[in-house]
Amino acid sequence: KQEVTQIPAALSVPEGENLVLNCSFTDSAIYNLQWFRQDPGKGLTSLLLIQSSQREQTSGRLNASLDKSSGRSTLYIAASQPGDSATYLCAVRGAGANNLFFGTGTRLTVIP
Amino acid sequence: NAGVMQNPRHLVRRRGQEARLRCSPMKGHSHVYWYRQLPEEGLKFMVYLQKENIIDESGMPKERFSAEFPKEGPSILRIQQVVRGDSAAYFCASSPAARVGRNEQFFGPGTRLTVL
Repeated sequence: KQEVTQIPAALSVPEGENLVLNCSFTDSAIYNLQWFRQDPGKGLTSLLLIQSSQREQTSGRLNASLDKSSGRSTLYIAASQPGDSATYLCAVRGAGANNLFFGTGTRLTVIP
Repeated sequence: NAGVMQNPRHLVRRRGQEARLRCSPMKGHSHVYWYRQLPEEGLKFMVYLQKENIIDESGMPKERFSAEFPKEGPSILRIQQVVRGDSAAYFCASSPAARVGRNEQFFGPGTRLTVL
């Protein structure tokens, strides 16, 4: 059964720092991996989707990488801003599965 | 193009009552997924539906919970005789039909159910 782990569970950084969030998954047979942002009491906003054949995706200050063979993904956030404060969720869609398997998230706080 | 819509956003029920949660997928999307997020836990898959069909309900509790996605109208997640443990945020996601296994899922804002 697919299990997704995110480390660290919480992270505080001063504004302007670059940071990396980590995601690992146990079964490398995946269709794709998505990174989401969740603000308190709100829904999920999709940030990046990486297909299993891809190694990375970029959107603005965000860059996500995927190493399927080792079961790892990272989300890199450049020049962090207070508005980046949120919980970041990693989710994988297993090959042959209909659903996403979610990690428990990393709660990011960017201090002005 | 409006996103995934869910209503109500907040729902309060007393133990033993019924809860009905609605989800309207994005325009052009015919696949709907329901997830539940318990307090301090990650999102867990409940059920996957296409129009008029339940494709995968492996994550849904066997009793009291049911889901439908009729030909016309929104998808409904129904919880009968709610208990306090049903208090959670329920999220709906949708995706288009093409290349199902590889498509991005788009999430609604969620319904926060509180059982008193």
